[in-house]
Amino acid sequence: QQQVKQSPQSLIVQKGGISIINCAYENTAFDYFPWYQQFPGKGPALLIAIRPDVSEKKEGRFTISFNKSAKQFSLHIMDSQPGDSATYFCAASKGSNYQLIWGAGTKLIIKP
Amino acid sequence: EPEVTQTPSHQVTQMGQEVILRCVPISNHLYFYWYRQILGQKVEFLVSFYNNEISEKSEIFDDQFSVERPDGSNFTLKIRSTKLEDSAMYFCASRTREGRDSPLHFGNGTRLTVT
Repeated sequence: QQQVKQSPQSLIVQKGGISIINCAYENTAFDYFPWYQQFPGKGPALLIAIRPDVSEKKEGRFTISFNKSAKQFSLHIMDSQPGDSATYFCAASKGSNYQLIWGAGTKLIIKP
Repeated sequence: EPEVTQTPSHQVTQMGQEVILRCVPISNHLYFYWYRQILGQKVEFLVSFYNNEISEKSEIFDDQFSVERPDGSNFTLKIRSTKLEDSAMYFCASRTREGRDSPLHFGNGTRLTVT
């Protein structure tokens, strides 16, 4: 019930393509769904986040799509660039604290 | 831009030894966290800290772990008697206030290796 399942484990996308990473959760009490980006040797950094009352949120080239009934959410990176190569984590939490439950991560490689 | 800083970047210790991982959160932040990431695996919540006390902790955070904010700037994680399975990347994080519009800021982590 506390798990967040993330796929794929790794992803290779050509420059300019669309990168799509998917996550699924079980606990319907989750009410906050952030995506984090992590470069090697660095801590995770918040990329974009969504709440379940919204089906989509877009910030620049990054979009979260949220399907409440399916308990799934996904990250889309449009016009993917080599600088987007990183590990991406989805996460979920409930309530106002930040006990985030993390997905396993997706290593994204953008080929020039 | 203000950063969360962690020291050391890499700590090697022998099994059974005590280690203290140090963090300096962003100065106006009030909520503090420790997370860990075993190599190649997911990030795991350890503990949250507010107003000089633990507000929430996970099952991982057993009696071997403790946190402290000894002064106005440092936030430490102590592992009393390290085990091989404590080898991981430990991340400190902080945020200004409660609520989801106050994002977590992570440090660059301390890699703990227990031999």
